[in-house]
Amino acid sequence: GAVVSQHPSWVICKSGTSVKIECRSLDFQATTMFWYRQFPKQSLMLMATSNEGSKATYEQGVEKDKFLINHASLTLSTLTVTSAHPEDSSFYICSARGEQGNTEAFFGQGTRLTVV
Amino acid sequence: AQTVTQSQPEMSVQEAETVTLSCTYDTSESDYYLFWYKQPPSRQMILVIRQEAYKQQNATENRFSVNFQKAAKSFSLKISDSQLGDAAMYFCAHNTNAGKSTFGDGTTLTVKP
Repeated sequence: GAVVSQHPSWVICKSGTSVKIECRSLDFQATTMFWYRQFPKQSLMLMATSNEGSKATYEQGVEKDKFLINHASLTLSTLTVTSAHPEDSSFYICSARGEQGNTEAFFGQGTRLTVV
Repeated sequence: AQTVTQSQPEMSVQEAETVTLSCTYDTSESDYYLFWYKQPPSRQMILVIRQEAYKQQNATENRFSVNFQKAAKSFSLKISDSQLGDAAMYFCAHNTNAGKSTFGDGTTLTVKP
């Protein structure tokens, strides 16, 4: 299957700082990427959908000014958590979908963010 | 909007036995896809099996098979000959044609030796 790489795997940052998470499709062009948040022992909650070259579509309740998403190329999307607070600590997962008509999305390995 | 319900927060099975994980869903889509994912402690999401809603035949992947009842909006996963490595959290997911996934709350599967 297709490979999606997420970086970093884990990060610790100080409260008030910003942190960037990268999601790369290594062997296919990702027209659409999705960002999820997962709390321990809970389900994945979709945060936003990003399409290459256009603005991300955020789910209800997700602050777009806090969670900045950029999908500048067909192989890279980034999620920047701005002015991070301890309540932003969570597991963030991206997935990427390839060409039109292929509905299977491939997942990155996730990023564990801890804000201290 | 789509919803996915997994009514079994935890399940347990004896090694080599068979276990069935339940999933029901609701959707406004006429064409959609259903998936089962496995999430081990590493938290990497691993695709177990997929089913296209327009296909009547139940999908099968080695020891994993589904019972897809479209009218009832039910999509259960059967694991045969359970192995210790099957222990994980399992998520049922509904995908729209645009690839947007809605996940159930998950079922934690324990495999007893």
